[in-house]
Amino acid sequence: DVKVTQSSRYLVKRTGEKVFLECVQDMDHENMFWYRQDPGLGLRLIYFSYDVKMKEKGDIPEGYSVSREKKERFSLILESASTNQTSMYLCASSPATSGMWDEQYFGPGTRLTVT
Amino acid sequence: KQEVTQIPAALSVPEGENLVLNCSFTDSAIYNLQWFRQDPGKGLTSLLLIQSSQREQTSGRLNASLDKSSGRSTLYIAASQPGDSATYLCAVTTNKLIFGTGTLLAVQP
Repeated sequence: DVKVTQSSRYLVKRTGEKVFLECVQDMDHENMFWYRQDPGLGLRLIYFSYDVKMKEKGDIPEGYSVSREKKERFSLILESASTNQTSMYLCASSPATSGMWDEQYFGPGTRLTVT
Repeated sequence: KQEVTQIPAALSVPEGENLVLNCSFTDSAIYNLQWFRQDPGKGLTSLLLIQSSQREQTSGRLNASLDKSSGRSTLYIAASQPGDSATYLCAVTTNKLIFGTGTLLAVQP
């Protein structure tokens, strides 16, 4: 079974803190994604990566950065957390053998609260 | 800009009932459409994927249809069970995956 794990299920941070959300997948997938999920807005793509050290902006990259130093790990960084970044963050991965967007496997999510 | 809408936002049905969830999208230029299930505290699980050239896909008690020209898809769940209670999301693939806001389904025993 493909497994995508996220470092924390719940996280509470203060405004202005630097926050790291970690995602690890164990199926040697080339593609990895970060989404945020908000009520009434659905899932929105923040960043994605199709290879180590490669990254592409999604729809809402402002206030975020990412790091992919190893194939299995994709980190989302909130440089200076703000209250409007309170959300559920979902990581996903997909293999290069399928369409990048087709066979995505999702982690359980991290619910981040910024106070 | 592609927009994906799901109606209703929430649905409660008694166990055993057949039900239909709706998804609509504004731009018919899609590669495929997927239906996902999301359980509390868990990530999304893909249920069905319909290619743009297909009309429907079936998996067990689930049947998804796609009418690309009218921008609509339905997910039919037969003989619903309490274990079907979850949020159901549809998503279309263009140059990325675009999600609807989901339908929260509660199946009452």
